[in-house]
Amino acid sequence: SQTIHQWPATLVQPVGSPLSLECTVEGTSNPNLYWYRQAAGRGLQLLFYSVGIGQISSEVPQNLSASRPQDRQFILSSKKLLLSDSGFYLCAWKGDRVHNEQFFGPGTRLTVL
Amino acid sequence: GENVEQHPSTLSVQEGDSAVIKCTYSDSASNYFPWYKQELGKRPQLIIDIRSNVGEKKDQRIAVTLNKTAKHFSLHITETQPEDSAVYFCAAANQAGTALIFGKGTTLSVSS
Repeated sequence: SQTIHQWPATLVQPVGSPLSLECTVEGTSNPNLYWYRQAAGRGLQLLFYSVGIGQISSEVPQNLSASRPQDRQFILSSKKLLLSDSGFYLCAWKGDRVHNEQFFGPGTRLTVL
Repeated sequence: GENVEQHPSTLSVQEGDSAVIKCTYSDSASNYFPWYKQELGKRPQLIIDIRSNVGEKKDQRIAVTLNKTAKHFSLHITETQPEDSAVYFCAAANQAGTALIFGKGTTLSVSS
C-alpha cells in the first residue's frame, strides 16, 4: 500500500532563516506530488505541483520554491522565511492517471518568529 | 482557471439532524469532485468523491450530488453525530486533471 511521509512534523524558525521541508511517497511510481499551505483556520492553498522529476508548476508567487530531485521525493524550500510563511504545510500525492484520488501527508506545522 | 465557492462557512446542527454543504465551480471541463474531512490538527481525509458521469453517490450516512448543468455539487450527511464535527472541504479537478482546487471549507459542529 502507498504511504506518504513528511518531516519534520513541527518546526520553529526565526524570520530570515532558510527552510527545507521534505515529502516522500512509498508504494507507487510516477505520482503527481503537491504542496499546500493552510494558514490557521483557513483553507488549503495550492503552492506547487509536480507531474514528474524536475517538473514544477507554481500556483502562487511567493518566496518559496519546490524541487523534485527523485520520483518520489518533493522538497519545499525558502532562502529567507517571512512571518507570513507560518502555517500548516501539507504534501499530497495522486496516481498519474486522471481522476485518481489525492491523499495528504501528515503535515508540517511551521511557526516563524 | 478553476474557482470553487463553498457555503456555508460554518454550520451548527443538533445530533440526528441532517447537514448539507454546497459548492459551485467555474470550469465546465472539471470532471472529478472529491470531499475531504479535516479534524483539528490532522490532515484532510478523503471521505467521498463523484465523477461527472454520475449524478449521485452514497456511502452509508454520506451522499454527494452533482448537477453539471448548474455546475454545483453538494455533500449531505444524515443522522449527524458529534464525531462528524470537523472542517469539510469540497474540491474540483482542474481541466488537465493534474490538480485539485479547494473551496474555503465549512466548519460543521454537531451538538448532542
